[in-house]
Amino acid sequence: GENVEQHPSTLSVQEGDSAVIKCTYSDSASNYFPWYKQELGKRPQLIIDIRSNVGEKKDQRIAVTLNKTAKHFSLHITETQPEDSAVYFCAANSNFGNEKLTFGTGTRLTIIP
Amino acid sequence: KAGVTQTPRYLIKTRGQQVTLSCSPISGHRSVSWYQQTPGQGLQFLFEYFSETQRNKGNFPGRFSGRQFSNSRSEMNVSTLELGDSALYLCASLKAGQSSRYTGELFFGEGSRLTVL
Repeated sequence: GENVEQHPSTLSVQEGDSAVIKCTYSDSASNYFPWYKQELGKRPQLIIDIRSNVGEKKDQRIAVTLNKTAKHFSLHITETQPEDSAVYFCAANSNFGNEKLTFGTGTRLTIIP
Repeated sequence: KAGVTQTPRYLIKTRGQQVTLSCSPISGHRSVSWYQQTPGQGLQFLFEYFSETQRNKGNFPGRFSGRQFSNSRSEMNVSTLELGDSALYLCASLKAGQSSRYTGELFFGEGSRLTVL
């Protein structure tokens, strides 16, 4: 089945700096790659997603890039703010007979004021 | 529109007992998925139900089971609880079609935190 690896597991950045989280996936048929943000004690919520027909997508301070050849995608957060502190999960769908999302193990991002 | 509702929010059980968790999806959403969240393991897929049928299943033992009712509400059951089953169990609903790959937003509930002693 699909395997999604996410790095780093923890990341600390100074407020105002940029943060980058990277994920790799194994299923070349995957065509949907969402990112979820989970604040402490709260439910995961979708923050951005990308489909395989585009290489980059931006939404204000957040961007996601996708390299289908290398089978990796990344989340970029610019001008980080304290409210960006959370756990971020990447995910990929799969076509190995299972229609489900496989999530990475998460990155705990801490913004240092 | 009401969000995804999970009950109970917290529960404590002892080894060998069984537990049933409930999930009410967003109105109109026919797909319900269940995930187990543990520190360091992320979100691990348990199973997905659509129109009262289990459509997908993750790599969990048979002690983990679920079902979906005609109103799309779903329950999951864990029998013969083990210490390692302590986790946050999240359900998520999706406005999926009859045969759609996951290309839409999953809406998660707040989870049921299970502690096994």
